[in-house]
Amino acid sequence: GAGVSQTPSNKVTEKGKYVELRCDPISGHTALYWYRQSLGQGPEFLIYFQGTGAADDSGLPNDRFFAVRPEGSVSTLKIQRTERGDSAVYLCASSSDPNSPLHFGNGTRLTVT
Amino acid sequence: AQRVTQPEKLLSVFKGAPVELKCNYSYSGSPELFWYVQYSRQRLQLLLRHISRESIKGFTADLNKGETSFHLKKPFAQEEDSAMYYCALQGTGANNLFFGTGTRLTVIP
Repeated sequence: GAGVSQTPSNKVTEKGKYVELRCDPISGHTALYWYRQSLGQGPEFLIYFQGTGAADDSGLPNDRFFAVRPEGSVSTLKIQRTERGDSAVYLCASSSDPNSPLHFGNGTRLTVT
Repeated sequence: AQRVTQPEKLLSVFKGAPVELKCNYSYSGSPELFWYVQYSRQRLQLLLRHISRESIKGFTADLNKGETSFHLKKPFAQEEDSAMYYCALQGTGANNLFFGTGTRLTVIP
């Protein structure tokens, strides 16, 4: 079946601009996660949704980052006033419940120039 | 604070040789440990988790609480094992995974 889908696959933006990254989880998966992976590093947790609500947003680096999941399916990660340090691969993952293995998407490579 | 250490960024072995990818962790409670793998041009995927105590693609990993290690082992490496491997920890009651920096394994034909 279809896996986790992330769009766009690549995004280049200028410093100071606003960007939105989209994640379509596997159908029926209630748990959704966003991670960020910088060059040479492992994925770093950003935020976790259980259904529509953000159950844990402790990984968001600052208030420029925000994520929503209004209908408990698709999620959007929003970054305001982008900075060059935001350049990374943003990974989305979903699971059928918090104790089940994560299924990752291919990621969105964000480059801030 | 939790920490996952993968001391080797790069590891090369010959086909048929044994391979061990090291992972050490720091956590005050009883964590759950995982190995994730990313093959070339593929997405990150679960390889194995310690509670399953199973062998996947010939790989095994034993949680050693005394040494706080969760090394990944395979007795005879295959070319298709070449990939990026990440060790990850999930704390007690936590919702998220904490990943190490990864080890790139290359199996030389």
